[in-house]
Amino acid sequence: GNSVTQMEGPVTLSEEAFLTINCTYTATGYPSLFWYVQYPGEGLQLLLKATKADDKGSNKGFEATYRKETTSFHLEKGSVQVSDSAVYFCALSDSDYKLSFGAGTTVTVRA
Amino acid sequence: DTAVSQTPKYLVTQMGNDKSIKCEQNLGHDTMYWYKQDSKKFLKIMFSYNNKELIINETVPNRFSPKSPDKAHLNLHINSLELGDSAVYFCASSRGGNTEAFFGQGTRLTVV
Repeated sequence: GNSVTQMEGPVTLSEEAFLTINCTYTATGYPSLFWYVQYPGEGLQLLLKATKADDKGSNKGFEATYRKETTSFHLEKGSVQVSDSAVYFCALSDSDYKLSFGAGTTVTVRA
Repeated sequence: DTAVSQTPKYLVTQMGNDKSIKCEQNLGHDTMYWYKQDSKKFLKIMFSYNNKELIINETVPNRFSPKSPDKAHLNLHINSLELGDSAVYFCASSRGGNTEAFFGQGTRLTVV
Protein backbone atom coordinates (compact mmCIF):
# COMPACT_ATOMS: atom_id res chain seq x y z
CA GLY A 1 0.00 0.00 0.00
CA ASN A 2 0.90 3.67 -0.10
CA SER A 3 2.93 5.24 2.69
CA VAL A 4 4.72 8.47 3.55
CA THR A 5 7.76 8.84 5.77
CA GLN A 6 8.79 12.25 6.95
CA MET A 7 11.54 13.60 9.12
CA GLU A 8 10.98 13.25 12.83
CA GLY A 9 10.65 16.41 14.85
CA PRO A 10 10.51 18.57 16.69
CA VAL A 11 12.57 21.10 14.80
CA THR A 12 13.56 24.37 16.48
CA LEU A 13 15.07 27.20 14.44
CA SER A 14 15.93 30.85 14.78
CA GLU A 15 14.19 33.43 12.64
CA GLU A 16 15.67 33.76 9.14
CA ALA A 17 17.19 30.27 9.28
CA PHE A 18 16.85 27.76 6.43
CA LEU A 19 14.24 25.05 6.91
CA THR A 20 14.16 21.66 5.26
CA ILE A 21 11.82 18.78 6.11
CA ASN A 22 12.51 15.49 4.38
CA CYS A 23 9.69 13.41 2.95
CA THR A 24 9.84 10.13 1.04
CA TYR A 25 6.97 8.03 -0.21
CA THR A 26 6.01 4.57 -1.40
CA ALA A 27 3.22 4.26 -3.91
CA THR A 28 2.01 1.66 -6.35
CA GLY A 29 0.71 4.13 -8.92
CA TYR A 30 1.45 7.72 -9.92
CA PRO A 31 0.40 9.79 -6.93
CA SER A 32 -0.02 13.49 -6.42
CA LEU A 33 2.05 14.87 -3.54
CA PHE A 34 1.16 17.55 -1.02
CA TRP A 35 2.41 19.50 1.94
CA TYR A 36 -0.17 20.56 4.51
CA VAL A 37 0.33 22.92 7.45
CA GLN A 38 -1.54 22.89 10.75
CA TYR A 39 -1.31 25.97 12.95
CA PRO A 40 -2.09 25.53 16.66
CA GLY A 41 -5.77 24.82 17.28
CA GLU A 42 -6.65 24.86 13.59
CA GLY A 43 -7.41 22.44 10.78
CA LEU A 44 -5.09 21.41 7.98
CA GLN A 45 -4.41 23.86 5.18
CA LEU A 46 -2.92 22.91 1.85
CA LEU A 47 0.49 24.57 1.58
CA LEU A 48 1.59 23.33 -1.85
CA LYS A 49 1.21 20.44 -4.25
CA ALA A 50 2.79 18.68 -7.22
CA THR A 51 0.96 16.31 -9.50
CA LYS A 52 3.72 14.74 -11.61
CA ALA A 53 7.44 14.05 -11.64
CA ASP A 54 9.72 17.12 -11.69
CA ASP A 55 6.85 19.49 -10.82
CA LYS A 56 7.77 22.11 -8.25
CA GLY A 57 5.10 23.32 -5.86
CA SER A 58 5.56 26.67 -4.15
CA ASN A 59 3.63 28.95 -1.84
CA LYS A 60 4.45 31.56 0.85
CA GLY A 61 8.19 31.09 0.27
CA PHE A 62 7.99 27.29 0.67
CA GLU A 63 9.03 24.97 -2.16
CA ALA A 64 9.07 21.24 -2.83
CA THR A 65 9.99 19.28 -5.97
CA TYR A 66 8.45 15.93 -6.92
CA ARG A 67 11.43 13.59 -7.44
CA LYS A 68 10.33 10.26 -8.85
CA GLU A 69 13.83 8.80 -9.01
CA THR A 70 14.34 9.25 -5.26
CA THR A 71 10.61 9.05 -4.36
CA SER A 72 10.97 12.26 -2.41
CA PHE A 73 9.16 15.57 -1.90
CA HIS A 74 11.30 17.57 0.53
CA LEU A 75 9.95 20.89 1.85
CA GLU A 76 12.26 23.92 1.97
CA LYS A 77 12.08 27.56 2.96
CA GLY A 78 15.01 29.91 2.75
CA SER A 79 14.21 32.23 5.64
CA VAL A 80 11.64 31.23 8.26
CA GLN A 81 9.58 33.58 10.41
CA VAL A 82 8.02 33.10 13.83
CA SER A 83 4.65 32.83 12.06
CA ASP A 84 5.86 29.65 10.31
CA SER A 85 5.72 27.77 13.62
CA ALA A 86 3.30 24.91 12.96
CA VAL A 87 3.03 21.19 12.27
CA TYR A 88 3.85 20.24 8.67
CA PHE A 89 2.50 17.11 7.01
CA CYS A 90 3.63 15.45 3.82
CA ALA A 91 0.85 13.53 2.05
CA LEU A 92 0.09 11.63 -1.11
CA SER A 93 -3.08 10.84 -3.00
CA ASP A 94 -3.43 8.05 -5.49
CA SER A 95 -6.54 6.73 -7.21
CA ASP A 96 -7.60 5.06 -3.94
CA TYR A 97 -9.88 7.78 -2.53
CA LYS A 98 -7.76 8.71 0.44
CA LEU A 99 -4.81 10.86 1.39
CA SER A 100 -1.98 9.07 3.18
CA PHE A 101 -0.12 11.30 5.62
CA GLY A 102 3.30 11.30 7.17
CA ALA A 103 3.60 11.53 10.95
CA GLY A 104 3.95 15.32 10.92
CA THR A 105 6.91 17.50 11.88
CA THR A 106 6.52 20.18 14.54
CA VAL A 107 8.48 23.31 13.68
CA THR A 108 9.13 26.07 16.21
CA VAL A 109 10.76 29.31 15.09
CA ARG A 110 12.28 31.53 17.80
CA ALA A 111 12.59 35.28 17.44
CA ASP B 1 -17.81 31.35 3.19
CA THR B 2 -16.50 28.24 4.93
CA ALA B 3 -15.72 25.49 2.41
CA VAL B 4 -15.85 22.54 4.82
CA SER B 5 -17.62 23.13 8.09
CA GLN B 6 -18.09 20.72 10.94
CA THR B 7 -19.96 21.02 14.20
CA PRO B 8 -19.46 21.07 17.06
CA LYS B 9 -15.92 22.35 17.47
CA TYR B 10 -15.63 20.96 20.99
CA LEU B 11 -17.47 17.99 22.48
CA VAL B 12 -17.04 16.81 26.06
CA THR B 13 -19.08 13.77 27.05
CA GLN B 14 -19.16 10.86 29.43
CA MET B 15 -18.18 7.28 28.67
CA GLY B 16 -21.02 5.25 27.30
CA ASN B 17 -22.84 8.17 25.68
CA ASP B 18 -23.74 8.42 21.98
CA LYS B 19 -22.77 11.53 20.04
CA SER B 20 -22.77 12.86 16.48
CA ILE B 21 -20.51 15.20 14.53
CA LYS B 22 -21.89 16.92 11.44
CA CYS B 23 -19.99 17.93 8.33
CA GLU B 24 -20.99 19.93 5.29
CA GLN B 25 -19.02 21.05 2.24
CA ASN B 26 -20.02 23.70 -0.30
CA LEU B 27 -17.29 22.94 -2.82
CA GLY B 28 -19.33 20.63 -5.01
CA HIS B 29 -16.94 17.74 -4.33
CA ASP B 30 -17.94 14.12 -4.81
CA THR B 31 -15.65 12.63 -2.16
CA MET B 32 -15.74 13.16 1.58
CA TYR B 33 -13.65 11.76 4.42
CA TRP B 34 -13.36 11.40 8.16
CA TYR B 35 -9.89 11.44 9.70
CA LYS B 36 -8.87 10.92 13.31
CA GLN B 37 -5.90 12.84 14.76
CA ASP B 38 -4.43 11.43 17.95
CA SER B 39 -2.53 13.23 20.69
CA LYS B 40 0.75 12.82 18.77
CA LYS B 41 -0.80 14.58 15.75
CA PHE B 42 -0.88 11.38 13.69
CA LEU B 43 -3.68 11.46 11.09
CA LYS B 44 -5.49 8.26 10.22
CA ILE B 45 -8.22 7.79 7.61
CA MET B 46 -11.43 6.39 9.06
CA PHE B 47 -13.92 6.55 6.20
CA SER B 48 -14.08 7.69 2.62
CA TYR B 49 -17.29 8.26 0.67
CA ASN B 50 -17.67 8.91 -3.04
CA ASN B 51 -21.06 10.00 -4.39
CA LYS B 52 -22.67 8.94 -1.08
CA GLU B 53 -21.20 5.44 -1.32
CA LEU B 54 -18.80 4.06 1.27
CA ILE B 55 -15.44 3.42 -0.40
CA ILE B 56 -13.07 3.00 2.54
CA ASN B 57 -13.72 1.75 6.06
CA GLU B 58 -10.32 1.53 7.61
CA THR B 59 -10.84 -1.07 10.39
CA VAL B 60 -12.84 1.33 12.48
CA PRO B 61 -14.90 -0.19 15.32
CA ASN B 62 -18.54 -0.58 14.33
CA ARG B 63 -19.46 1.85 17.14
CA PHE B 64 -18.57 4.48 14.52
CA SER B 65 -21.19 4.86 11.82
CA PRO B 66 -20.90 7.42 9.05
CA LYS B 67 -23.97 8.62 7.18
CA SER B 68 -24.05 10.55 3.94
CA PRO B 69 -27.57 11.87 3.26
CA ASP B 70 -26.31 13.68 0.16
CA LYS B 71 -23.00 14.48 -1.53
CA ALA B 72 -22.55 17.67 0.50
CA HIS B 73 -22.91 16.06 3.92
CA LEU B 74 -21.09 13.34 5.82
CA ASN B 75 -22.00 12.90 9.46
CA LEU B 76 -20.31 10.69 12.02
CA HIS B 77 -22.25 8.99 14.78
CA ILE B 78 -20.42 7.31 17.65
CA ASN B 79 -22.11 4.86 20.02
CA SER B 80 -20.99 3.85 23.50
CA LEU B 81 -18.11 6.30 23.67
CA GLU B 82 -14.87 5.10 25.25
CA LEU B 83 -11.95 7.00 26.75
CA GLY B 84 -9.78 5.98 23.80
CA ASP B 85 -12.10 7.78 21.41
CA SER B 86 -10.78 11.10 22.70
CA ALA B 87 -9.11 12.77 19.71
CA VAL B 88 -9.61 15.47 17.11
CA TYR B 89 -11.84 14.37 14.24
CA PHE B 90 -11.49 16.06 10.88
CA CYS B 91 -13.91 16.05 8.01
CA ALA B 92 -12.54 16.72 4.52
CA SER B 93 -13.64 16.72 0.90
CA SER B 94 -11.99 16.42 -2.50
CA ARG B 95 -12.76 15.95 -6.19
CA GLY B 96 -11.57 12.35 -5.90
CA GLY B 97 -8.36 10.39 -6.30
CA ASN B 98 -5.07 12.19 -6.98
CA THR B 99 -6.49 15.52 -5.80
CA GLU B 100 -6.01 17.62 -2.71
CA ALA B 101 -8.46 17.50 0.15
CA PHE B 102 -9.94 20.48 1.96
CA PHE B 103 -10.32 20.10 5.69
CA GLY B 104 -12.75 21.36 8.27
CA GLN B 105 -11.58 22.99 11.49
CA GLY B 106 -11.85 19.77 13.46
CA THR B 107 -13.94 18.55 16.38
CA ARG B 108 -12.06 17.99 19.62
CA LEU B 109 -13.82 15.10 21.35
CA THR B 110 -13.03 14.50 25.01
CA VAL B 111 -14.52 11.46 26.71
CA VAL B 112 -14.46 11.59 30.51
